[in-house]
Amino acid sequence: DAGITQSPRYKITETGRQVTLMCHQTWSHSYMFWYRQDLGHGLRLIYYSAAADITDKGEVPDGYVVSRSKTENFPLTLESATRSQTSVYFCASSALSGATLNTEAFFGQGTRLTVV
Amino acid sequence: DQQVKQNSPSLSVQEGRISILNCDYTNSMFDYFLWYKKYPAEGPTFLISISSIKDKNEDGRFTVFLNKSAKHLSLHIVPSQPGDSAVYFCAASAAGGTSYGKLTFGQGTILTVHP
Repeated sequence: DAGITQSPRYKITETGRQVTLMCHQTWSHSYMFWYRQDLGHGLRLIYYSAAADITDKGEVPDGYVVSRSKTENFPLTLESATRSQTSVYFCASSALSGATLNTEAFFGQGTRLTVV
Repeated sequence: DQQVKQNSPSLSVQEGRISILNCDYTNSMFDYFLWYKKYPAEGPTFLISISSIKDKNEDGRFTVFLNKSAKHLSLHIVPSQPGDSAVYFCAASAAGGTSYGKLTFGQGTILTVHP
């Protein structure tokens, strides 16, 4: 399917466990992002990637790890999940480039993660 | 340090009337502004954007106004329809500096349009 997809859609995990959220896009967009949505905070950037093997921290990176070995995939790993990481996570991609300095990002459907 | 702020958590409007959603920003490096709409259990979807070289952009029922001197933008929906009921996020980015490529979002405003 074309577009950007996230898996799983829902996940319940225990405190201290490692969990990986997957994100796949079919547009070959260079830029990919991970956001979390929490009440009162809107969407906050966790990590982003400008290209394969290039990643950087966003606003709230602590407790998260990302990798980007292929352009189309951008997994987000919670190394040791905590209750404060209970949230809805959104992956996004953007066709930003040297020729397109400002453009919109396209979002996946989200993953609702509950840490108990 | 909330660089993009939506100070109204919610807005209720009658069908057919105008909805006005507001957004303020503090980072003077921001030069591109977007509005996203989000339904429950779905990802945000892009609605309309405006570059800092413009003060107005219109797309059908949706118009975004930008006041750079006040660091303020607004989204007007005319006429409002029940299907417009959703959470609306304002976002901003910059073509340079540390904000390049990243969208910074406001907290969102829940719009409810009553039939």
